[in-house]
This record gives sequence, structure tokens and C-alpha cells, in this order.
Amino acid sequence: DIQMTQSPSSLSASVGDRVIITCQASQDIRNYLNWFQQKPGKAPKLLIYDASNLETGVPSRFSGSGYGTDFTFTISSLHPEDIATYYCQQYDVLPRTFGQGTKVEV
Amino acid sequence: QVQLQESGPGLVKPSQTLSLTCTVSGGSISSGGYYWSWIRQHPGKGLEWIGYIYYSGTTYYNPSLKSRLTISVDTSKNQFSLKLTSVTAADTAVYYCARGNWFDSWGQGTLVTVSS
Repeated sequence: DIQMTQSPSSLSASVGDRVIITCQASQDIRNYLNWFQQKPGKAPKLLIYDASNLETGVPSRFSGSGYGTDFTFTISSLHPEDIATYYCQQYDVLPRTFGQGTKVEV
Repeated sequence: QVQLQESGPGLVKPSQTLSLTCTVSGGSISSGGYYWSWIRQHPGKGLEWIGYIYYSGTTYYNPSLKSRLTISVDTSKNQFSLKLTSVTAADTAVYYCARGNWFDSWGQGTLVTVSS
């Protein structure tokens, strides 16, 4: 299975801060990477697909980049409603696998 | 806009079979183009992909669960289902259904507790 390693596991930031989360795949996954946001008690929500494409309706302060094994997810200016756990996930190879999550707190 | 809804028992006894159904509305499973997945999340933990099915019946199961898992589809009801046999407390989780490679639509999730 492809291992997806996110960093950091948690972070504390202030409203307005730039937040960066990294995700490393254990092998080349091209750009077959999603980023999800999950709030407590809710299903994950797709934010970014194909590593850098913003899902319809998702605010432009969210962005993604990367190719191969190294990927980055950025919130350009943290809003209070962005407090959540974020997951990366690869869909190049079966079985699909997720990162362990990054909890963003204020 | 497609919507997914999980249903099934919230409590299952150890060694028994966990059965869940995902009902899809706002779109047809049989129109093709999407894989339909089950994903679970143990309490306070991360996400684990269980497996998927295509409208034709083609499946792929996570090897970690393959020996106990069956995913099926009923296109007439626009539903797909999960059966997990010989459950233990380790199968206690929130179970989600989701669409496609991008998991762009999810059900709200259903908590299944394995306990006697």
C-alpha cells in the first residue's frame, strides 16, 4: 500500500495566518491527490482534486500544489471556519489511502 | 446534485455480520462513470478506504478486509451495499459511502458499534 505522510499532525495558528500542510507519498502518485476538510461530526469535504484543482464552491484561499511524491496544501489566510482536520488522499493506486490528518486549531 | 445516505443497524454483536446500504439520489449509479466506495473512520482516528464497486458489479476490496467483505450493487434501487462478516470491536467505526475517484460526494456517515 502507498503510505501517505502528513506534516504536521497538528498546528496552532491565528486568524489571518498562512497555513501550510505537507503530504508525502511513499511512491510516485503523479498528481492523483485529493485534499479534504473534516469538521467534528461531519463527513469529509473535498477541497482540492488532482493535487491543485479547486473543487467548485471552495474559497480561493485554499490551494494545492505538487507532483510525484511531495505535495503542499495552503490556506492563504486562515478564517475561523477553517478550524478542522485536513486529510490528503491518493487515488493513483489501489487500495486508496489517506494521510493521518492534520488538525488545525486556533 | 447527487446525495448519498447510509442506512443500517447501529449495533452489531461480535462475530455477526455488519450490513449497510447506501442510497443514491440525484443521479443514477447505472449511468456509469463513477466508482462507489465505502470508507470508515474509527472513533477519533483517520480514514480507511474499505472498497468500491462499479455499476457493472466490478469490485475492489482493501486487502486488509478482503476475506470478510462483500460489496454489491442494486441498480434498480440505486443502492450499493456493504457486508462485513465476523465483526469484532475493531470494526466499530463511522461508515461512510462516497462517490468516484475524487470522493466528491459523501453520505453523512453512520456509526456502527460492535458490542454484545
